[in-house]
Amino acid sequence: SQQGEEDPQALSIQEGENATMNCSYKTSINNLQWYRQNSGRGLVHLILIRSNEREKHSGRLRVTLDTSKKSSSLLITASRAADTASYFCATDEAFNDMRFGAGTRLTVKP
Amino acid sequence: EPEVTQTPSHQVTQMGQEVILHCVPISNHLYFYWYRQILGQKVEFLVSFYNNEISEKSEIFDDQFSVERPDGSNFTLKIRSTKLEDSAMYFCASSGMDRAAGELFFGEGSRLTVL
Repeated sequence: SQQGEEDPQALSIQEGENATMNCSYKTSINNLQWYRQNSGRGLVHLILIRSNEREKHSGRLRVTLDTSKKSSSLLITASRAADTASYFCATDEAFNDMRFGAGTRLTVKP
Repeated sequence: EPEVTQTPSHQVTQMGQEVILHCVPISNHLYFYWYRQILGQKVEFLVSFYNNEISEKSEIFDDQFSVERPDGSNFTLKIRSTKLEDSAMYFCASSGMDRAAGELFFGEGSRLTVL
């Protein structure tokens, strides 16, 4: 089925380091969104980037979108232990409702 | 801050039983969704609902599933005859804008355990 696919599946870093997660998709999109999920909780929207945008920032988050490569990246700078969570990208590929990937599980060690 | 509310938080049922999961979306939102997540796995789209009808449904959303907006505030997911593989976390989401524009606001989920 059409959906974003994240990599890596898991990422473990030290507090203060940067974390980069990637997402790839297969067909045309209107927008790509990143969400965060703490263990056992609901998903929380982080940032939305439209197909005509290349980069967006929100606090310590930076998202890029390369439509020619059908990929996006989420960068979290100066990570904190509280950033430990799973991160999902979601796309509206082929103009369908948002589909999610399998997520990247980020662990930030204090 | 407005939020999506889901009940029950956890339901245990016997295989073959009917289950109804309840959601109260954010009050001025027009687009409603159900997703599910089997433990530790990806978040899977089930169905979207707009203007009192299903907009889109996935291959998972077969005849055993139905959705309803019985009044102006509730949005329910019914599983007619539960199977073991229906055990998952079910998330309701709502949006004020259509798929081309809006972020989704998720509830905290209803965990369904089918024995």
